[in-house]
Amino acid sequence: QVQLVQSGAEVKKPGSSVKVSCKVSGGTFGSYALSWVRQAPGQGLEWMGGLIPIFETSNYAQKFQGRLTITADESTGTVHMELRGLRSEDAAVYYCASRIVVVVAATQSGNHYLYGLDIWGPGTTVTVSS
Amino acid sequence: QSALTQPASVSGSPGQSITISCTGSTRDVGGYNFVSWYQQFPGKAPKLIMYEVTNRPSGVPDRFSGSKSGNTASLTISGLQAEDEGDYYCSSYRSNSIVVFGGGTRLTVL
Repeated sequence: QVQLVQSGAEVKKPGSSVKVSCKVSGGTFGSYALSWVRQAPGQGLEWMGGLIPIFETSNYAQKFQGRLTITADESTGTVHMELRGLRSEDAAVYYCASRIVVVVAATQSGNHYLYGLDIWGPGTTVTVSS
Repeated sequence: QSALTQPASVSGSPGQSITISCTGSTRDVGGYNFVSWYQQFPGKAPKLIMYEVTNRPSGVPDRFSGSKSGNTASLTISGLQAEDEGDYYCSSYRSNSIVVFGGGTRLTVL
């Protein structure tokens, strides 16, 4: 059974960056589509973006374009999420989630993938405070 | 404002059935059979309880069922139990490899 193990809580100042890690264990790293989802205190879930290491493909929610980078280290089976220009409203629990890669559509401009959220990590709390 | 619309709250008594709706558009719910549902308890990570509209992961009781009509997906919980009380979220694939969520529904078991 695949498990996702996330890095520990972070406290950051406004304007700085945070990098959160998620290690995939118990499965073949390259087989998965990996997503980052966040949840601000008392709020709902928000998909930020995802990465499919085997296809070297990443997709980001429009809201985070230019401020978010998701990368993978296949040697350690770890995916990283870096969010820059932190604001108070970025304070949240950040989850990684995964599913086996599913191709939704194959088009002339490239494939479209399903970022399934079958398995979830425990979450990483990011606090943004001056 | 969330991309998908869910009722903020629903309630029911033990043994009853409740349904939570999730309304989107032809770009997401209506256009693809990639709607999922998640159950979340306070302080815990969400848990997948339904995927691809009608499929239950192993271990999820068959009291949980999913359906879709047009741009609206639904999660039905029959034989409501006290342990079902929590927050429920829907998500959908949206064109160009994006995931969108509903705002979440708080289920109260009376």
